[in-house]
Amino acid sequence: ETGVTQTPRHLVMGMTNKKSLKCEQHLGHNAMYWYKQSAKKPLELMFVYNFKEQTENNSVPSRFSPECPNSSHLFLHLHTLQPEDSALYLCASSQDLTSGVSYNEQFFGPGTRLTVL
Amino acid sequence: KQEVTQIPAALSVPEGENLVLNCSFTDSAIYNLQWFRQDPGKGLTSLLLIQSSQREQTSGRLNASLDKSSGRSTLYIAASQPGDSATYLCAVDHNAGNMLTFGGGTRLMVKP
Repeated sequence: ETGVTQTPRHLVMGMTNKKSLKCEQHLGHNAMYWYKQSAKKPLELMFVYNFKEQTENNSVPSRFSPECPNSSHLFLHLHTLQPEDSALYLCASSQDLTSGVSYNEQFFGPGTRLTVL
Repeated sequence: KQEVTQIPAALSVPEGENLVLNCSFTDSAIYNLQWFRQDPGKGLTSLLLIQSSQREQTSGRLNASLDKSSGRSTLYIAASQPGDSATYLCAVDHNAGNMLTFGGGTRLMVKP
């Protein structure tokens, strides 16, 4: 496997279900990101992790719970979601967020298409 | 708050045409600007990254320019092909990789 992978690629869940999205990067990066892409809205940053520590939470509701056990893996745990949470969830990684680094190209996975019924 | 706008929202051109996609941003204090391509239902592919100190970057038939002072970037695609059909997104990094703000994208269709 190369690059950034995400599983599952598609997920349908009810509002009372609990599920998790998984992201894995094979690029030796230390920063990982979750984004949400809803229909007709720009991509929105949700969370940022740098060396396994969360550095950004972009006012995301608590029904989304991220987990970063190591620099290569990132999870997004979902519970009691709403239909408006249906979207494409994208994971990305970059080298790291060392202070003073201006070049920090982000590489994206293929996304998980989530439908909440 | 940084805002990124892309014009036009959609564009249809015949094969072989040269074309320009536009991106504007409200806060010129950026670290870099990145152009991405997204195919329907898929993730993003990075095309070009321009650092704040640079004016342009080139990759094959693609050329991206950056004018930080005026808050603008353009993506030039030469000799367009049907395979170039996709949505093109620009994003500005205003916190050294921590926060990418995306535009709404330009949906490009290149007709054979």
